[in-house]
Amino acid sequence: DADVTQTPRNRITKTGKRIMLECSQTKGHDRMYWYRQDPGLGLRLIYYSFDVKDINKGEISDGYSVSRQAQAKFSLSLESAIPNQTALYFCATGGTPNTGELFFGEGSRLTVL
Amino acid sequence: AQSVTQPDIHITVSEGASLELRCNYSYGATPYLFWYVQSPGQGLQLLLKYFSGDTLVQGIKGFEAEFKRSQSSFNLRKPSVHWSDAAEYFCAVSPSGGYQKVTFGIGTKLQVIP
Repeated sequence: DADVTQTPRNRITKTGKRIMLECSQTKGHDRMYWYRQDPGLGLRLIYYSFDVKDINKGEISDGYSVSRQAQAKFSLSLESAIPNQTALYFCATGGTPNTGELFFGEGSRLTVL
Repeated sequence: AQSVTQPDIHITVSEGASLELRCNYSYGATPYLFWYVQSPGQGLQLLLKYFSGDTLVQGIKGFEAEFKRSQSSFNLRKPSVHWSDAAEYFCAVSPSGGYQKVTFGIGTKLQVIP
């Protein structure tokens, strides 16, 4: 089983719909991250969490929200999806000490029509 | 603020040829440096990392990278490319110490031709 699991792997939705992407990890890491990947733009940080009570905005948090339900679970929500949120979304975890080394899930491809 | 530049968006090499992927970073001190690989349909996997010490680091799958402080570079190399190396490669930088926000380059897509 994968250490970092994302669901769903693929989702097609319509403009204005609420979408939740879920991430769970078995690595026991405190740090969890959501990134968005777009062609030609690399990976951009949406939100990150250093523990259950700590949530922080990344560089492109507008239009997104997150919830850290437990140490192992970190979900990303799009309250009202729009077409330019079509992208590949990655969840990642980071261990201690925090060296910046990240462990990624396989990604969730979201298409907003 | 830290930044990463990968000047080559696409690179094509023949199987068996050598490979060098370029990465330059901007950061005030010596950062932590990483190379990740993303195979089609997969997440990112760490190839290698540099924290300190020997500036030539070895990674998985026969890759190596050399940290050159004077050039602010961390180029990835492989002496002989295999068809299975076709993937997208990302260089990343993280500050050494304190809060670590990882910044990624835009990636270099590697095509391997027979």
